Amino acid sequence: QVQLVQSGAEVKKPGSSVKVSCKASGYIFTSYSITWVRQAPGQGLQWMGWISAYSGNTDYAQNFQGRVTMTTDTSTSTAYMELRSLRSDDTAVYYCARDSNPYSYSGYAGPWGQGTLVTVSS
Amino acid sequence: EIVLTQSPGTLSLSPGERATLSCRASQSVSNSYLAWYQQKPGQAPRLVIYAASSRAAGIPVRFSGSGSGTDFTLTISRLEPEDFAVYYCQQYASSPLTFGGGTKVEIK
Repeated sequence: QVQLVQSGAEVKKPGSSVKVSCKASGYIFTSYSITWVRQAPGQGLQWMGWISAYSGNTDYAQNFQGRVTMTTDTSTSTAYMELRSLRSDDTAVYYCARDSNPYSYSGYAGPWGQGTLVTVSS
Repeated sequence: EIVLTQSPGTLSLSPGERATLSCRASQSVSNSYLAWYQQKPGQAPRLVIYAASSRAAGIPVRFSGSGSGTDFTLTISRLEPEDFAVYYCQQYASSPLTFGGGTKVEIK
């Protein structure tokens, strides 16, 4: 079955960077794009952007432009999301999710990874 | 950016009752590119509905979606105990993709 397994929780200092991984299994990795979404404690969902696992093309939300980089490693079927210059309001659970359509990004996603809590605190 | 407003914020209902959740967009969502997700405490979201009215794989028939343009609705015909959760709408018609603030369906 399709599964996305994310890396473990992280605690970071303000101004540092974090890199979250998302290992996919149960499907052909390069056939689908990966979306990243975050959720601050007790808050709603915020779309961060997506990456094509086939071409490496990306589209980042304006809020994260210049601070986020999404990459993939097709040899290990793993997607990565790096966020730099961390602030306290970046404290959130970060989710990866597989796009629903093969070969072209649709924008609606499932299934999702289990989430990675990133805490930014001095 | 398309802003999605969900109402009500909280819906208090009993098992067996009908739930009607609303999602209103600040501008028309082209092609009805509107999805609904269910999220339970401590879990990742789960896709329920896409293209406004298509059920995702494995979703029971008691879930239905409708609407077009700026007004969309998620209906749960008869609430089961496992349906009590937070529901988010999401538009994927234009970048940035955006989510509504969520509706919590709680047990009355």
